[in-house]
Amino acid sequence: DQQVKQNSPSLSVQEGRISILNCDYTNSMFDYFLWYKKYPAEGPTFLISISSIKDKNEDGRFTVFLNKSAKHLSLHIVPSQPGDSAVYFCAASEGTDSWGKLQFGAGTQVVVTP
Amino acid sequence: DSGVTQTPKHLITATGQRVTLRCSPRSGDLSVYWYQQSLDQGLQFLIQYYNGEERAKGNILERFSAQQFPDLHSELNLSSLELGDSALYFCASSGGLSNTEAFFGQGTRLTVV
Repeated sequence: DQQVKQNSPSLSVQEGRISILNCDYTNSMFDYFLWYKKYPAEGPTFLISISSIKDKNEDGRFTVFLNKSAKHLSLHIVPSQPGDSAVYFCAASEGTDSWGKLQFGAGTQVVVTP
Repeated sequence: DSGVTQTPKHLITATGQRVTLRCSPRSGDLSVYWYQQSLDQGLQFLIQYYNGEERAKGNILERFSAQQFPDLHSELNLSSLELGDSALYFCASSGGLSNTEAFFGQGTRLTVV
């Protein structure tokens, strides 16, 4: 049972424009959410996170929005750059000290075109 | 470079065989996590060790086992391999019990033929 879903397997965006990646979850016990970025032949790298007590967290060009009532989060990348081309994974956990067990979505492949 | 080292990078083996995947965590990290990524799937949490002890279990098959040694490196043992076990296996480490902001290795690509 997939508790974290990324329904868009791919996204193409022009350089300089905004990339919006979406993620939905079903487990209401999730209270900490993360985005990871993955390049080919590399492991995922942590990008940004958000706790359920917030509805927005910003780090440079990356902003994550959380809508708890809709069980939905999104990652905005502004402006998109060619180096942002990668697979982005949404992940969720029950608490920051939950002994592990991050639940990942299937990923969204982002391609930033010149 | 995340500081997490996984060996080997690639492994091809036959059905029914047994393999061992190795992970060296970042210096000082006590927690090690194993994840499996099958084709077109997200990463599936398998198991977590903290300072040598098993802490959490996910969707790990009985044919799979893991351990963490006193020097904190970890091994994932996969036995009676089936074609469906072909996947990328990632190891991650973090400093404490939480795996948030864990650092991932490059993965081991296992192909079962």
